[in-house]
Amino acid sequence: QKEVEQDPGPLSVPEGAIVSLNCTYSNSAFQYFMWYRQYSRKGPELLMYTYSSGNKEDGRFTAQVDKSSKYISLFIRDSQPSDSATYLCAMTRDDKIIFGKGTRLHILP
Amino acid sequence: DGGITQSPKYLFRKEGQNVTLSCEQNLNHDAMYWYRQDPGQGLRLIYYSQIVNDFQKGDIAEGYSVSREKKESFPLTVTSAQKNPTAFYLCASSIGLNLGSSIQYFGAGTRLSVL
Repeated sequence: QKEVEQDPGPLSVPEGAIVSLNCTYSNSAFQYFMWYRQYSRKGPELLMYTYSSGNKEDGRFTAQVDKSSKYISLFIRDSQPSDSATYLCAMTRDDKIIFGKGTRLHILP
Repeated sequence: DGGITQSPKYLFRKEGQNVTLSCEQNLNHDAMYWYRQDPGQGLRLIYYSQIVNDFQKGDIAEGYSVSREKKESFPLTVTSAQKNPTAFYLCASSIGLNLGSSIQYFGAGTRLSVL
């Protein structure tokens, strides 16, 4: 079993919809959880990071961590065509960071 | 502006040639990393460095070499021993390696192709 699992997509949703992106993990030692956005042919950009279980909100983005279920989510409200990108989850344990393989998201105008 | 600068944006390598990818950061971060990204493969760690004059192999170090002579700079050399070098290369940095300081920030990447 891989340490971090992320559905590669692609996920296509209409503009204005709420998007839910998810990752599951197997190692309870993970403590920090991050979401990155990567546009085509660009480097990943850090969107949000969180330490504890619960929700963290930043504008249209909400990161959710459920440590008991080993499950993290990123919600995007009022999705825009400019949100079309690949979204990577990442998490840290000890001195190591593990990335998911990314979910490709398409917002349809 | 603080950030990570990678150059060049595009690079072409001939057979048997070594090429060097540049990575410079002005974030005053101690740790720096090199990743390779292939379609469908996610990010794979090549090398990382926690401090000047020290670096560690990642998961796919064969065919690559690095140096860390200055805190700000972490160049990656793709040697002729790397038989499949075509990929998107990403440099990242973080405050440190310990939890809480290991959140990584990325450069814009270098796309390497073989002629």
